[in-house]
Amino acid sequence: GQNIDQPTEMTATEGAIVQINCTYQTSGFNGLFWYQQHAGEAPTFLSYNVLDGLEEKGRFSSFLSRSKGYSYLLLKELQMKDSASYLCAVSYNQGGKLIFGQGTELSVKP
Amino acid sequence: DTEVTQTPKHLVMGMTNKKSLKCEQHMGHRAMYWYKQKAKKPPELMFVYSYEKLSINESVPSRFSPECPNSSLLNLHLHALQPEDSALYLCASSQEKASGRAGVKDTQYFGPGTRLTVL
Repeated sequence: GQNIDQPTEMTATEGAIVQINCTYQTSGFNGLFWYQQHAGEAPTFLSYNVLDGLEEKGRFSSFLSRSKGYSYLLLKELQMKDSASYLCAVSYNQGGKLIFGQGTELSVKP
Repeated sequence: DTEVTQTPKHLVMGMTNKKSLKCEQHMGHRAMYWYKQKAKKPPELMFVYSYEKLSINESVPSRFSPECPNSSLLNLHLHALQPEDSALYLCASSQEKASGRAGVKDTQYFGPGTRLTVL
């Protein structure tokens, strides 16, 4: 199978930095996507990584190491509105499919 | 503009009813997707359309019937559903179906979803 693993829950403090990790099986890997999903809403696209390294977009950054089958999403200057589920999704050489991890529920506390 | 719209927002139906979910995008995307999402779970892929042709059917029961009338529209026809089919149904679109090198063309944009309750 193509398991995508990420922590189930994380808690962080407003204004802090949090890193959400994602590991995946490397065989047939095309690219990796991060989505944010607030309760009862649709997933919102945050970032994608195809090559190794760091992609930065404002307060959010995403890192990829293809050889290690590892990615992380870094959220800086946390705000209360960042409380949401963060989904790691991998595209494999199957054409058209995204394989989603179970999601990491992030709670930001004052 | 990365907007995908879905109607209705909420739907309650009985097990003998026939209803349809609608999805629309005007981004010129040629791949469209239906997902089912249960609470606290990730989205599960149901169907993929590429250039208005059904490309992937993830062994979905026949009580769910997709239709792609044109490149902007995607429907999901529902008939004789079961209470366990109650879920959030999400539509998504991307420029192209993933084809070897992920990137901007493969990025899927989701609609707001239809919250379906089957009584």
